[in-house]
Amino acid sequence: GENVEQHPSTLSVQEGDSAVIKCTYSDSASNYFPWYKQELGKRPQLIIDIRSNVGEKKDQRIAVTLNKTAKHFSLHITETQPEDSAVYFCAASMQTSYDKVIFGPGTSLSVIP
Amino acid sequence: GAVVSQHPSWVICKSGTSVKIECRSLDFQATTMFWYRQFPKQSLMLMATSNEGSKATYEQGVEKDKFLINHASLTLSTLTVTSAHPEDSSFYICSAEGSGLAGARPYEQYFGPGTRLTVT
Repeated sequence: GENVEQHPSTLSVQEGDSAVIKCTYSDSASNYFPWYKQELGKRPQLIIDIRSNVGEKKDQRIAVTLNKTAKHFSLHITETQPEDSAVYFCAASMQTSYDKVIFGPGTSLSVIP
Repeated sequence: GAVVSQHPSWVICKSGTSVKIECRSLDFQATTMFWYRQFPKQSLMLMATSNEGSKATYEQGVEKDKFLINHASLTLSTLTVTSAHPEDSSFYICSAEGSGLAGARPYEQYFGPGTRLTVT
């Protein structure tokens, strides 16, 4: 089955700096890679996703890159703000009906004002 | 659109009792729903895939007789924790799979707000 690894487990950055979180996956059949932000005690929120036919996607301060050959994908947050502090999860799926989404272990991001 | 609710949001029960958690897709139909549990400072661990009208598919290591899942309609799935013990205390989160209708993107998972279960 699919296995998703994520690094680092914790990340502290100064406000305004960039943050990068990296993930790897094991199943080459996976073709959908969402990223979720979860604040303490709340539900995960989809912040950006990328499909395997795309190498990079950007949405304002957030960007995701995908290297399908190496089975790597990364989240980049630029100009970080204190409200970006949360736990971020990468995930992988084949995005077919009934297919499960497998989550990485998470990265706790702290943005220091 | 694409809102998922869970009830209750938190529950405290005594060891040995059973607790039922409801997951509803409020404005879209979901053939498939997923149940996760999340321990503090850990990731979401998939427990089972719930398919409307059929038996749930459980992940390895999840006891199907302990965690009963019923997906009786296209908008409701329930998880019953039977004979709960303190080690079952956790945050349980459901998600509903979008179908491409009613503002729910196909195959995207829409998460409920979670249910905090504490077993004393």
